[in-house]
Amino acid sequence: DAGVIQSPRHEVTEMGQEVTLRCKPISGHDYLFWYRQTMMRGLELLIYFNNNVPIDDSGMPEDRFSAKMPNASFSTLKIQPSEPRDSAVYFCASSRDRGETQYFGPGTRLLVL
Amino acid sequence: SQQGEEDPQALSIQEGENATMNCSYKTSINNLQWYRQNSGRGLVHLILIRSNEREKHSGRLRVTLDTSKKSSSLLITASRAADTASYFCATDNSGYSTLTFGKGTMLLVSP
Repeated sequence: DAGVIQSPRHEVTEMGQEVTLRCKPISGHDYLFWYRQTMMRGLELLIYFNNNVPIDDSGMPEDRFSAKMPNASFSTLKIQPSEPRDSAVYFCASSRDRGETQYFGPGTRLLVL
Repeated sequence: SQQGEEDPQALSIQEGENATMNCSYKTSINNLQWYRQNSGRGLVHLILIRSNEREKHSGRLRVTLDTSKKSSSLLITASRAADTASYFCATDNSGYSTLTFGKGTMLLVSP
């Protein structure tokens, strides 16, 4: 298996623009997680899905953030409009079960100018 | 609040030395996991220890779990420069929705 795939790897955009991050989880994994990592706040869980259904989105910072999982092999995290404080590395991870090993993608490094 | 807290925040050692990192948590767990993150990369799972286990080994890694003290330690023996990374503990607690990650220990191994 290729592991968790994320795209793009790097994104530079201007404040106010829409940003869409993409993730393909490992086949057969029922759980998908979106995290954000910054130096100041560390690793934060934004939202996670079970069998394509959002279970806990309490970590989503505000309404500018939204996430979807239209099928078992694809998820998106969208920021609209983007702000400089959204600059961070965004990770997608997947696992077979809720509390079991999570497999992380390489991350998307987002810079909002 | 953070479930897992690593200690120390940073550790600097010489190649060949052992590195020990600790993790403390607050409530009962189902399992505890350690992950490594190299600079600019995603987290990589190292080892999982369940609540009914006390010690586990994987290569140069040794993990202990003391549920009475709510703490775990990760020992890396005979460290190498390639072990330079951040190390995170994560706990699976039935009271939380998913794994809870600590803030990590930054390990620097100098040649």
